[in-house]
Amino acid sequence: AQSVTQLDSQVPVFEEAPVELRCNYSSSVSVYLFWYVQYPNQGLQLLLKYLSGSTLVKGINGFEAEFNKSQTSFHLRKPSVHISDTAEYFCAVSDWPGGGNKLTFGTGTQLKVEL
Amino acid sequence: DADVTQTPRNRITKTGKRIMLECSQTKGHDRMYWYRQDPGLGLRLIYYSFDVKDINKGEISDGYSVSRQAQAKFSLSLESAIPNQTALYFCATSDITGQGNEQFFGPGTRLTVL
Repeated sequence: AQSVTQLDSQVPVFEEAPVELRCNYSSSVSVYLFWYVQYPNQGLQLLLKYLSGSTLVKGINGFEAEFNKSQTSFHLRKPSVHISDTAEYFCAVSDWPGGGNKLTFGTGTQLKVEL
Repeated sequence: DADVTQTPRNRITKTGKRIMLECSQTKGHDRMYWYRQDPGLGLRLIYYSFDVKDINKGEISDGYSVSRQAQAKFSLSLESAIPNQTALYFCATSDITGQGNEQFFGPGTRLTVL
């Protein structure tokens, strides 16, 4: 069975500072990894995904994530955050095409950007 | 227009009432999902459907049922609502050929059971 751990439930950061949101996963097979963002009162929107190839993945709004197989991690980073980045961020793992084609989500990290 | 729509967006109901949440999509995807979101717990899968004739239970299906009326419509029912079903409910879709099972989410339905 696959699982996702997001160790930080809340991350406060000042505007223009860098940020890293941590995600660790466990799975017995090859995985596909995702970061979704949820802005207040909205649904989830895909930020970026890792399927194969380069371990450094770039997404929307200046975010990037690095897949580290040996550490089973997929941490999300942004070099300089903006107030508009305040949202909840979810890491998710899929073992598609096997394993029932389902996504397993972490518990989320609330990013709060302050002036 | 939104690709995945959910109705209603907000609903307050009483314990014991039957309630239905509806999801429609214009993406042409075969696969549809229902999740609930609770603070600190992330999203948990309730039911999923890979086509009109295929319905599967997720990790927390007790107390819920679903109906896949057409490729584009997937409804979630609470036969007898209870307060601990108060949550934010999301519908999602994915394409059978979608890379890594990327899913597309609706805006959510906030359900309160009194």
